[in-house]
Amino acid sequence: EVRLVESGGGLVQPGGSLRLSCIASGFILNSYEMNWVRQAPGKGLEWISNISSSAINTHYTESVKGRFTISRDNAKNSVYLQMNSLRVEDTAIYYCASGLYFRHWGQGTLVTVSS
Amino acid sequence: DIQMTQSPSTLSANVGDKVTLTCRASQSIRNWLAWYQQKPGKAPHLLIYKASTLESGVPSRFSGSGSGTEFTLTISSLQPDDFATYYCQQYNSYPWTFGQGTKVEIK
Repeated sequence: EVRLVESGGGLVQPGGSLRLSCIASGFILNSYEMNWVRQAPGKGLEWISNISSSAINTHYTESVKGRFTISRDNAKNSVYLQMNSLRVEDTAIYYCASGLYFRHWGQGTLVTVSS
Repeated sequence: DIQMTQSPSTLSANVGDKVTLTCRASQSIRNWLAWYQQKPGKAPHLLIYKASTLESGVPSRFSGSGSGTEFTLTISSLQPDDFATYYCQQYNSYPWTFGQGTKVEIK
């Protein structure tokens, strides 16, 4: 069974940092590009970043450029999202998702940015 | 950025109805479009990719069509399990973008 499990969410003050992790099981992560997608409370889906299978290429949506960094460790079957300079508007459930279109999703981890 | 616009925002229908959801792109995305279903408190679930390819395990009552800027998701006979929110997503060019969603609710 394919599983993606996110962790690392929590409550953080504006300007703070968090590092999200996504661990895959049931498939070989290094064959897939990987993504982070978020969903603010009661809102729609927003793609925020992806990383190629080899980690050579990364892409970000404009609102997180310079603040968020995606990375991966294929040996650990894991993908990460380092989030710095967090803002209230970054409050959301963060999902990792596999592939060019998102075939596999994790259950999500909630990030709350509030003072 | 490519804007994806879904219509309607909300659709009220009965079990057994045929429903059609529309997704429009602000510029051509060829056929690089996916559709997802999301239920409250759950992660989205892939239904369709490459505009019309049904994901494995997805019931055949779901179908997708379109290319360029106009796309549709059709549910041929709405089932109780289909009441959910549906999103389209383009993966033609970065940043990948989603539509705002169509909520399918019970009439």
